Amino acid sequence: EAGVAQSPRYKIIEKRQSVAFWCNPISGHATLYWYQQILGQGPKLLIQFQNNGVVDDSQLPKDRFSAERLKGVDSTLKIQPAKLEDSAVYLCASTPPLLTSYEQYFGPGTRLTVT
Amino acid sequence: GDSVTQMEGPVTLSEEAFLTINCTYTATGYPSLFWYVQYPGEGLQLLLKATKADDKGSNKGFEATYRKETTSFHLEKGSVQVSDSAVYFCALRKGTGGFKTIFGAGTRLFVKA
Repeated sequence: EAGVAQSPRYKIIEKRQSVAFWCNPISGHATLYWYQQILGQGPKLLIQFQNNGVVDDSQLPKDRFSAERLKGVDSTLKIQPAKLEDSAVYLCASTPPLLTSYEQYFGPGTRLTVT
Repeated sequence: GDSVTQMEGPVTLSEEAFLTINCTYTATGYPSLFWYVQYPGEGLQLLLKATKADDKGSNKGFEATYRKETTSFHLEKGSVQVSDSAVYFCALRKGTGGFKTIFGAGTRLFVKA
C-alpha cells in the first residue's frame, strides 16, 4: 500500500511570496490533516478534512493560509503572503474512515524556509 | 485545554542502556494515548498506543502503560540500539471534537555505539 505523498519536499521562498503544498493521502482514507511542525516543537493541527468538508480549522491563520480538498482526495495548502515565522515542516496525515481508527499515517513533510 | 508534556531532550545513551522518556498529559474525558517516532528524514510513524486506563502498548521492544491515576504514559525500552536514534512524540487523541490529536514537543534520542 502506498503511503501519504507530499510535494515538494523542500521549498525556500522570500517573505511576502506565496507557496503551495500538495498532499495525496492513502487511497480510501476519508480524513486528512495538515500539521505545522516548527523546529523543536510537536506538530500542531492546522486543518482537518472529513472527505471534502472541513471538520476543524480553528488553528488555521485564515488571513494568510488556505486549504482545500477537492473531490475528497488530494489536498493543497497555500500560504499567501508568507512570513518568516511560517518557516516549518508541513505534515500531511490521513486516517481510514472507521471511527475506531486511531492511527494517523503521516507523509514525509515539506520543509519550508522563509527568508 | 488539553495538553501533553514530555521530558526535554536530547537524551544520549550508550547501546544496550535502559531508556525512559517521561510523558504526562492533561485532558478531560478518556483520551487514547500514543507514542510516535520520527526517524531522520522521515515522517512520523505510530510506535505504540493505549486506548484505556491500565492498557500497555508495546512494539519493537518499547512499552508504555496508560496510568490514569498519575496521568502518565512513560515510554520504556530495556536495551536501546543505535537504530533507535530518533525523535519520540507523546500524543493524546479524544473521541470528541473530530478526533483531534495533540502532540508533545518531542524528545530526541541519541544512542552511541
